[in-house]
Amino acid sequence: EADIYQTPRYLVIGTGKKITLECSQTMGHDKMYWYQQDPGMELHLIHYSYGVNSTEKGDLSSESTVSRIRTEHFPLTLESARPSHTSQYLCASSPTGDSAGNTIYFGEGSWLTVV
Amino acid sequence: KNEVEQSPQNLTAQEGEFITINCSYSVGISALHWLQQHPGGGIVSLFMLSSGKKKHGRLIATINIQEKHSSLHITASHPRDSAVYICAVRSGNQFYFGTGTSLTVIP
Repeated sequence: EADIYQTPRYLVIGTGKKITLECSQTMGHDKMYWYQQDPGMELHLIHYSYGVNSTEKGDLSSESTVSRIRTEHFPLTLESARPSHTSQYLCASSPTGDSAGNTIYFGEGSWLTVV
Repeated sequence: KNEVEQSPQNLTAQEGEFITINCSYSVGISALHWLQQHPGGGIVSLFMLSSGKKKHGRLIATINIQEKHSSLHITASHPRDSAVYICAVRSGNQFYFGTGTSLTVIP
């Protein structure tokens, strides 16, 4: 069973509010990812990190930021939420290495609704 | 163009039917995953393949590296198999995902 946790699971917030989605993993994985998934659509990479103090933007990173101060923690922040941010946000992690790095583990997801 | 293409997008089957979901990819890969996502739930990896075939219970996954194609088979389908099945590949340090196949198994 994967040890990767996301909070909150469900959230409804007003337009313009700042929100941080939390993601923590206890597997010691160096690589962590944030994906956005609309219902029935594919996953889109928002941000990723290959280790502490390393963060990169994905295909869909506008209006959000991440930080990686500790290996186990990879929070995603929306500075000013908009209705277009309504979606499911999935956090994932993967170990380093050619073979081990093939595995990927997902959190349960955070469902965000912006009204 | 998406690096990973799946078919069909939607699939409805009667309980007990044999089901096949297909995945084609266009990048070099080190591994391919078949993932399962239940409504409102997270994503779990059913299989990770780099060659050949794997079987787990009623689920079978195959991959043909030369043809860049994989299939997921479900034998004797059951309503609890109803979920979205996603094909994902690892290429370099990134993962690429198909759009998913939404499977509904009717009792």
